[in-house]
Amino acid sequence: RKEVEQDPGPFNVPEGATVAFNCTYSNSASQSFFWYRQDCRKEPKLLMSVYSSGNEDGRFTAQLNRASQYISLLIRDSKLSDSATYLCVVNGRGGSYIPTFGRGTSLIVHP
Amino acid sequence: NAGVTQTPKFRILKIGQSMTLQCAQDMNHNYMYWYRQDPGMGLKLIYYSVGAGITDKGEVPNGYNVSRSTTEDFPLRLELAAPSQTSVYFCASSRSSGETQYFGPGTRLLVL
Repeated sequence: RKEVEQDPGPFNVPEGATVAFNCTYSNSASQSFFWYRQDCRKEPKLLMSVYSSGNEDGRFTAQLNRASQYISLLIRDSKLSDSATYLCVVNGRGGSYIPTFGRGTSLIVHP
Repeated sequence: NAGVTQTPKFRILKIGQSMTLQCAQDMNHNYMYWYRQDPGMGLKLIYYSVGAGITDKGEVPNGYNVSRSTTEDFPLRLELAAPSQTSVYFCASSRSSGETQYFGPGTRLLVL
C-alpha cells in the first residue's frame, strides 16, 4: 500500500456542484495533514490544514478520520476558478514529520 | 518579503553536464526541502534540511547533492546529468516540522 493515495481523477463537474475528494494514508503515526492546491505548471500552495475536529473555510471543508486513516476535502458551489490539482500531504513518516505528498486529484469545473 | 525564490526558471542540460539549482528563503525558516515532480505525478522528496549544517536524504536522493551553509540558502547540485533527471524541481521551506510549507516557483530542467 502506498503511503499516501489519491484518486487522480479527473473529476469533471459543472459550476455550482459539490465535489468531494478522499486521501488515504498508511502510517497510523502521522501527525499533521494538509490540502494544497496546484495550478498547471505552478507551485503548490496551501489550501487548508486538516484538524482532528474538522475545519471549514468558506466553500471548503476538510475532515480527518484517524480510525480509517483518511482525510477528505469537500468543495461546495464549485467555481470555474476551482479547476486545479488538489494535493494531499501527510506528515509523520519515520517519526521525523517529513511530509509525503499524494499524486494529486485533478478537478475540472465546466460552465 | 520575496518568500522562496529559485533560479534558474528553466534550463537545458546535455547528458553528463553538471549544474546547481539555487534556492533561497527570507522567512527565517529552519526547514528546507527539495522535491522533483514528474508529469502527472506527485512530489518526491530529494533532500531536506532541518537547519544550517544539517541535511538528510529523502526518497530519491541518487544523482543529487545538497549543502546548507546558511539558514537562507539550500542549493541542489546535479552531477553527471541523466535524461531521468528531466523534471520540475521545487524548493520549499517551513518554520518547523509538520507546519505549512511555502514553495518556490520551480525550475524546469530538460536533460538531452
